[in-house]
Amino acid sequence: AQSVTQLDSHVSVSEGTPVLLRCNYSSSYSPSLFWYVQHPNKGLQLLLKYTSAATLVKGINGFEAEFKKSETSFHLTKPSAHMSDAAEYFCVVTLYEGYQKVTFGTGTKLQVIP
Amino acid sequence: DADVTQTPRNRITKTGKRIMLECSQTKGHDRMYWYRQDPGLGLQLIYYSFDVKDINKGEISDGYSVSRQAQAKFSLSLESAIPNQTALYFCATSDRAGQPQHFGDGTRLSIL
Repeated sequence: AQSVTQLDSHVSVSEGTPVLLRCNYSSSYSPSLFWYVQHPNKGLQLLLKYTSAATLVKGINGFEAEFKKSETSFHLTKPSAHMSDAAEYFCVVTLYEGYQKVTFGTGTKLQVIP
Repeated sequence: DADVTQTPRNRITKTGKRIMLECSQTKGHDRMYWYRQDPGLGLQLIYYSFDVKDINKGEISDGYSVSRQAQAKFSLSLESAIPNQTALYFCATSDRAGQPQHFGDGTRLSIL
């Protein structure tokens, strides 16, 4: 069985300061991991993906995430928050178990304070 | 134009009505999915389809049905809507196993 835990339902940062959104997963085998962003009244947009290549993954809009197998973590970071980063972020794990089972985290709402 | 288009974007209806949500895609993907999103619960899979002849139930399929009319079209039906089906519904597509999914902008459904 696989699961995803996003450790914070809300994160608030000041503009220009670093962003850290935490995600832990559990999976029997090597999963594929993704981060998506959802802006209000919009669908989910892919930020980045990990599929067993480099453990440090760079995504769009300056975001990156590091896959740490020993910690079963895939935290999302950005060095400097921008107002446009305010949105909800979802960590997702997928694993082929006869079909592509996709499990979404419950989301982290990022607030950016001017 | 959007790669994954959902119609309608918003719908308000009454308990007991039949409702159809439609999804069309121009990405040429074989795999299509329907999810519902509730606050604090993330996304839950309702149905998925790997091609026109392959349709499968997801985690929460009770009360829902789907139809894959063509590679590009996948519709979701609520035969007799009930208030706890009020949610945001998303359609998604993907190329193959392990690849990211591409989402439509969602349909906000309210059942009174």
